[in-house]
Amino acid sequence: AQSVTQLGSHVSVSEGALVLLRCNYSSSVPPYLFWYVQYPNQGLQLLLKYTSAATLVKGINGFEAEFKKSETSFHLTKPSAHMSDAAEYFCAVSAERGADGLTFGKGTHLIIQP
Amino acid sequence: GAGVSQSPSNKVTEKGKDVELRCDPISGHTALYWYRQSLGQGLEFLIYFQGNSAPDKSGLPSDRFSAERTGGSVSTLTIQRTQQEDSAVYLCASSLDLGQGALGGYTFGSGTRLTVV
Repeated sequence: AQSVTQLGSHVSVSEGALVLLRCNYSSSVPPYLFWYVQYPNQGLQLLLKYTSAATLVKGINGFEAEFKKSETSFHLTKPSAHMSDAAEYFCAVSAERGADGLTFGKGTHLIIQP
Repeated sequence: GAGVSQSPSNKVTEKGKDVELRCDPISGHTALYWYRQSLGQGLEFLIYFQGNSAPDKSGLPSDRFSAERTGGSVSTLTIQRTQQEDSAVYLCASSLDLGQGALGGYTFGSGTRLTVV
């Protein structure tokens, strides 16, 4: 079975500061890993994904994530937070390649302080 | 259509009533997924369709929940005899096929916010 743990249901950073959202996964096979963002009253939008190519993955809006197999982690970072980054962020892992659904973490609400 | 469309966007219903939630996926997407998003609980996978077929219904929370898809397009999630614990946002997503879905190629709808009073 696959699982995802996101550390911190809420993260607050100042505008211009580093954003770090933590994600650890559990998988019996090499995983595909994803970060999604959800703005209020909207669906989820894919930020970036790791699919066994480069371990450092760059996504939209200046976000990036690094796959670290030894730490079973896929933390999301952005060097400088912007007010528009305030949203809910979800880490997800493929349940099984080519099969059903993604397994999502419980989400981290990112708050940007002016 | 250009995106995944869900209706209604909001639904308030009385406990014990039945509700139907509709999802219209992107044209040509063969895979369709339903998730439930409860406050503080993240996304709970409910069911997926490949074409009109749902091979695994074990993710549905109870036998009050059912889903169908017709014509390889629109899907309906039905909740019978609604309970207060059914209150949540129900999200639908579609992907070109299951393989693309596994690669994160989902497009999500904006969801239906269900409130059972």
